[in-house]
Amino acid sequence: AQSVAQPEDQVNVAEGNPLTVKCTYSVSGNPYLFWYVQYPNRGLQFLLKYITGDNLVKGSYGFEAEFNKSQTSFHLKKPSALVSDSALYFCAVRDTGGSYIPTFGRGTSLIVHP
Amino acid sequence: DTGVSQNPRHKITKRGQNVTFRCDPISEHNRLYWYRQTLGQGPEFLTYFQNEAQLEKSRLLSDRFSAERPKGSFSTLEIQRTEQGDSAMYLCASSPLSLSGNTIYFGEGSWLTVV
Repeated sequence: AQSVAQPEDQVNVAEGNPLTVKCTYSVSGNPYLFWYVQYPNRGLQFLLKYITGDNLVKGSYGFEAEFNKSQTSFHLKKPSALVSDSALYFCAVRDTGGSYIPTFGRGTSLIVHP
Repeated sequence: DTGVSQNPRHKITKRGQNVTFRCDPISEHNRLYWYRQTLGQGPEFLTYFQNEAQLEKSRLLSDRFSAERPKGSFSTLEIQRTEQGDSAMYLCASSPLSLSGNTIYFGEGSWLTVV
């Protein structure tokens, strides 16, 4: 079975400060990990993914994420937050030895204050 | 690449009526997914197609729900005898057929409100 947890319902950060949105996962084998962003009344937009290789993955809009196998985590980060980054962020996992269907977390609402 | 297209974007229906949503995946994407999302929750898997074959269905997909993907192109999701609990956003996504960690790409979703 595969699962993902996003322990924070909401993250607040001031514009210009670094941000972190947390994600931990559980899979039987090795993970494929994904981050998506959702703006109000819109679908999910792909940000970045970890497949294999370098643990630090860079994605769209200046976001990056670090894969940590020992802590089973894949936290999303950005060095300097923008007000326009305010949105819902979803982490997803797929077991490399399982089906082709990703499982999503409940989401974290990121609020960037001016 | 025009992205995943979903229609209608919004649907308000009376309890007991049937509704149908359509999804046009990204061209040449063999895999197609339906998810449901309610307020404050992440997307929950409903069903998955590879080409025209429906390979997996969630327990969430009750007998009132049916999905098809004729000819492996567009897909439809029909909900019969709608209930208020069916109110949600229905998301369609597609991905290419590859052995590696293929990304799934979502459409803008179809909002269903059952009154």
